Amino acid sequence: GESVGLHLPTLSVQEGDNSIINCAYSNSASDYFIWYKQESGKGPQFIIDIRSNMDKRQGQRVTVLLNKTVKHLSLQIAATQPGDSAVYFCAEDSNTGKLIFGQGTTLQVKP
Amino acid sequence: DSGVTQTPKHLITATGQRVTLRCSPRSGDLSVYWYQQSLDQGLQFLIQYYNGEERAKGNILERFSAQQFPDLHSELNLSSLELGDSALYFCASSASGNTRANEQFFGPGTRLTVL
Repeated sequence: GESVGLHLPTLSVQEGDNSIINCAYSNSASDYFIWYKQESGKGPQFIIDIRSNMDKRQGQRVTVLLNKTVKHLSLQIAATQPGDSAVYFCAEDSNTGKLIFGQGTTLQVKP
Repeated sequence: DSGVTQTPKHLITATGQRVTLRCSPRSGDLSVYWYQQSLDQGLQFLIQYYNGEERAKGNILERFSAQQFPDLHSELNLSSLELGDSALYFCASSASGNTRANEQFFGPGTRLTVL
């Protein structure tokens, strides 16, 4: 069935280092992917998206990489800051009108 | 602040009861989405409404129902509540009905506790 999963439940990084959060998806029909950030006590917040006709997309301090061959996407955060501490979700859309979310990775930034 | 409002923030009720969660989308947004977030199931899409009409349906139980009113606010009704319904319920809104055309903005959520 359809599923989006994350490789690691918790990632701990030093402030200033780069962070890489991974996500695997199983639905080969998915052609649109989104990364969300959820801070404690808040709803998910859109970070960046990527369509399947792209391999890479960059935002402000964030980069999303998509590898359709192995059905894998990653979120790279440059110069990680304490404010980046949150749970990060990937989500996929196969044009059904439904977003399917992964379980989430907790990013902890150590000062 | 995303511009999406949800009430109440917290709700504590007993098994077998019925509750209504309310969502007001961002000004101008026509689509409303409901999600359930629990520890064991993660964030699950329940249902989407676009301009008053049901647009997409996810893993929504038959005990749950939703509607979107002419003023575009939405309500999620949960009935015959079970312990397992305890979760965070999020509402999101977007300008269009197409999930990839516009990003979804999430509200702060309603935490439901069923005792």
